[in-house]
Amino acid sequence: KAGVTQTPRYLIKTRGQQVTLSCSPISGHRSVSWYQQTPGQGLQFLFEYFSETQRNKGNFPGRFSGRQFSNSRSEMNVSTLELGDSALYLCASSLPTSGRGNEQFFGPGTRLTVL
Amino acid sequence: QKEVEQDPGPLSVPEGAIVSLNCTYSNSAFQYFMWYRQYSRKGPELLMYTYSSGNKEDGRFTAQVDKSSKYISLFIRDSQPSDSATYLCAMSAYSGGSNYKLTFGKGTLLTVNP
Repeated sequence: KAGVTQTPRYLIKTRGQQVTLSCSPISGHRSVSWYQQTPGQGLQFLFEYFSETQRNKGNFPGRFSGRQFSNSRSEMNVSTLELGDSALYLCASSLPTSGRGNEQFFGPGTRLTVL
Repeated sequence: QKEVEQDPGPLSVPEGAIVSLNCTYSNSAFQYFMWYRQYSRKGPELLMYTYSSGNKEDGRFTAQVDKSSKYISLFIRDSQPSDSATYLCAMSAYSGGSNYKLTFGKGTLLTVNP
């Protein structure tokens, strides 16, 4: 079974631009979560989507948004990029009804650099 | 107090050593406990998953959960250079419906020297 895929793997943007990242979950997984990972803050939860609806949200500004499509693929958008948005953005998928407490499977991440 | 505390290290050990990685937590609602391994420039991969207090063994890896002390550990026996990675603990609490909130530690960077 194919794992979680994320595109692009690497991205360089300048301040003020916007960016869209894409995630395809494991087949059959309907929940997709997004995380930001930086050396100083570790893994920080952005939001979770389930059946095209945002189910949970972390403490990030409104510049960070996402959506999920009917095939469970998800996109994350960051508008008006700031230098501090440079990070590894990770997508994780899970079977929310697996009874295993939201055990998540991660993609390889998108490395975003903001200049 | 953070919900999950994990010593960031770095931790450096010689090949063959026994490694102990630990996390403490404050939320008694946590029910499921996981360890993820993350190699440099890769996404985290699930290494161990436990539900109840006690030990769970998988090859050279043993996960230990002590709910009374709110303490979890990952032991690596006969450590290998290929075990060099960042290890993240994660734990989840039920939050309604089929919803679980997953919280991660910051990760411990481990280096196993040949």
